[in-house]
Parts: sequence; C-alpha cells; structure tokens
Amino acid sequence: DVKVTQSSRYLVKRTGEKVFLECVQDMDHENMFWYRQDPGLGLRLIYFSYDVKMKEKGDIPEGYSVSREKKERFSLILESASTNQTSMYLCASSSGQGDGYTFGSGTRLTVV
Amino acid sequence: KNEVEQSPQNLTAQEGEFITINCSYSVGISALHWLQQHPGGGIVSLFMLSSGKKKHGRLIATINIQEKHSSLHITASHPRDSAVYICAVRFNNDMRFGAGTRLTVKP
Repeated sequence: DVKVTQSSRYLVKRTGEKVFLECVQDMDHENMFWYRQDPGLGLRLIYFSYDVKMKEKGDIPEGYSVSREKKERFSLILESASTNQTSMYLCASSSGQGDGYTFGSGTRLTVV
Repeated sequence: KNEVEQSPQNLTAQEGEFITINCSYSVGISALHWLQQHPGGGIVSLFMLSSGKKKHGRLIATINIQEKHSSLHITASHPRDSAVYICAVRFNNDMRFGAGTRLTVKP
C-alpha cells in the first residue's frame, strides 16, 4: 500500500523553538507539498517541491522553510515557532500534473 | 475571496438520509477532486472528475463545467460517513481547496 508518512501525529513545542516536521513518501513521486489546515480556512499551501533540491513558496511561506535533499523526503522547518503556527500540518505528494494527491495523516502542532 | 466555495459548512443528518454537498469554483480547471477527512486527520481521495458523473458505492459525484459547480451525494447515509468532505480544484499547476463540509450522521 502506497504511503505518505509524517513522523509525528501530535507535537507540543515552546515559542521560539526550531521545529522540524518530516514527511516521507514511498511512491517515487516528484511532487511534494506542505499545507496547513485551520478551521474555516481549508488547506493553505506553505511550500512545494517539484524535484530534489528544488522548492517554491506557496501562499503562506512566512515563518517557514523547507528542505528536500532526497526525492522521498520533504521537511518543513519552523525557524522560531510562534503561537499562530499552532495548526494541523499535512504533507502530500503526487506524480504529475494530472494526478491526485496522496496525503499523510497530518501532524497536529501546538505551540505554547 | 476563496476560489473554491463549499456549502453547507456543517451538516447533520439522520442515518438513511440522502446527503448533498455542493462546491462552486471561480477559475478554469482541469480537474476537480472530492476528498474525505476522518477525525484522525488523514485525507483520502474519493473522486477525481473532469466532466459528467462518477459513482462509487453509495457515493455519487457530478460536475457541471459550464456552471463551475460540483455536487457530492451520499445515498442511504450511515454514521461511518461522518467526516469532513473537501472539494479541491486543479488549475494550471496548482490545487485549491474548499474549507470543507463537516458531516455528522446520527444513528
């Protein structure tokens, strides 16, 4: 069964901490995405990557960075966590323009 | 304004009822997706549509490209259908998501 795996389901971090959210896919997909999901706002794109070492800003990149050193792994980094980054974070991957996305199970991050 | 609007935001139904969730979009699209998100958080793809109608079990999805509108129907609803249903549209190289419809089916 193909999978997108996010390393943590729940995380609690303190304000100012550097936070790493990891995402690994086993489908050899070129495209990977990080979204955050907040009530009433739906999924909003933070960053995406169409290839190894390639990254593009999405709609809300401020306060975040990403790393894609290997095709299967796409990491989201919160440089200095703030309480307004408390959210559900979802990773997704796809193989091409015409395909749907496969989503991970999500990481619910709370910043206190 | 969000390019993808869903209605209703919340929906409560009794078991066995026929459910309709609506999605309107304002951009030219190449495909529309219906997704299901259970309380645990994971999202699964139900349908991908570019025209017409698709059926899978008790779920039916339709799309009207001219009117920029899609509907997701659930026949004979069951408590296990309780979830958030998300409409997403693909245009250019981008995917845009609706805010979701939270469905609760009571026994």
